[in-house]
Formats: sequence, C-alpha cells, structure tokens
Amino acid sequence: EPEVTQTPSHQVTQMGQEVILRCVPISNHLYFYWYRQILGQKVEFLVSFYNNEISEKSEIFDDQFSVERPDGSNFTLKIRSTKLEDSAMYFCASNGFGRRGHYTEAFFGQGTRLTVV
Amino acid sequence: AQTVTQSQPEMSVQEAETVTLSCTYDTSENNYYLFWYKQPPSRQMILVIRQEAYKQQNATENRFSVNFQKAAKSFSLKISDSQLGDTAMYFCAFGLQDSGGSNYKLTFGKGTLLTVNP
Repeated sequence: EPEVTQTPSHQVTQMGQEVILRCVPISNHLYFYWYRQILGQKVEFLVSFYNNEISEKSEIFDDQFSVERPDGSNFTLKIRSTKLEDSAMYFCASNGFGRRGHYTEAFFGQGTRLTVV
Repeated sequence: AQTVTQSQPEMSVQEAETVTLSCTYDTSENNYYLFWYKQPPSRQMILVIRQEAYKQQNATENRFSVNFQKAAKSFSLKISDSQLGDTAMYFCAFGLQDSGGSNYKLTFGKGTLLTVNP
C-alpha cells in the first residue's frame, strides 16, 4: 500500500542552526501538508502546498519556515534558524484522488522528531 | 475558524468491552469532513474512520463506528470489542475543503488517551 515517508525519523540540532525535514508524499497525490505536534499537545496545521506554491499557512508558519518541492517527488520543510520551541514532532501529509474520483483523506507520514538543544 | 473539543483527556476500558470517545466541534460551514485518527506510542498518525458531513448515515469500519449528530455538532467514536492494540491517543479532526474541493487542512482536538486493560 502506498505511504508517505519521512526522513530522518529523529533529528537533533543546535539552536540557531538550519534544519531540513524531508518527505516523499504518495506519488499521485496533489496536495501536501506539514503539521506540528509539540510533546503532549495537539497536532497543529503549519502549511499546505499545491501546484508548487503555498495554498494556505498558519500563524505558526513565519519567515523562519519555508517549503519546497525541489524535484517532483520530495517535499521539504526548512527551518532557517531553529529555536528551542521548535522542538516537536513534524508530520508530513498528502491527499489526492481516490478510486471514485473523490479526494481522499490526508495520509500521514510517520513523523520526524526534531529536538533543538 | 473551526474548533474541535475532546472533553475526555484519558479513558480506560477492559479488553473486549465497548468504549465511546466524545468529540464536539464548532463551525459555521455546511460541507466538511470529520475524522478520527489514532496515534499509538510510535506516534504515527493512522486514520481510523472518516465521515462526510453531507451523509446522514454513520460511518462504520469493522469494530469502529461513529455517532454523527450534525445539528448538535457532535462526532463520537465507538470502539467495540476493544483490543490491547487499540491502546493509543485518539484525535478527532475537522477538515474543511477549499473552493477547489481538494485542499482541506485539518483542525485537531487535544486528543483522548485510551488505555485498554487486559
């Protein structure tokens, strides 16, 4: 069964460093998302991406964040200068057409645990 | 803006029994989707069940079923014949489609930690 894959599973970085989280969405999906879950808290929407541009972003997604689909398969989230409060689980998700032509629900990757020290 | 409320931070149930997790939401929209996601200790988000708001019939998926009350904005999850593997955090989520019909960001509740006891 197709799945969304994320790498790395765990990333430790020093405060102020840039970090890139990588995702490979399901191949025929069209919409891509990043969500964040700070430990013990709810999952929060960061950004959605379609047709090579951001379609919606939340207040959390400030100038420190950027997304890119560099090669038609990978979907990346970059944090330019990490802060301690960026420590969280980051989930990538995608959705697209199902068998009956309806859009599917979002399929999530297994997440990348980012720890900023 | 949409909000999703899960009023039960933790619940427990004996193996083979039935448990119901509650969820309420607030929206002024008429067409939307509701989801229950399961997050086991591995922290992966796994879709349990999905409900389209325009459908009156409650969704079912094997041991999992929902009680969708649109007027009351309530969307509870019933797990029958609970199994040890059902132990997880369960998140209720609201999905609103954009005008193009495909992009729907999810708004999540805070989750309910369900423990199934042997």
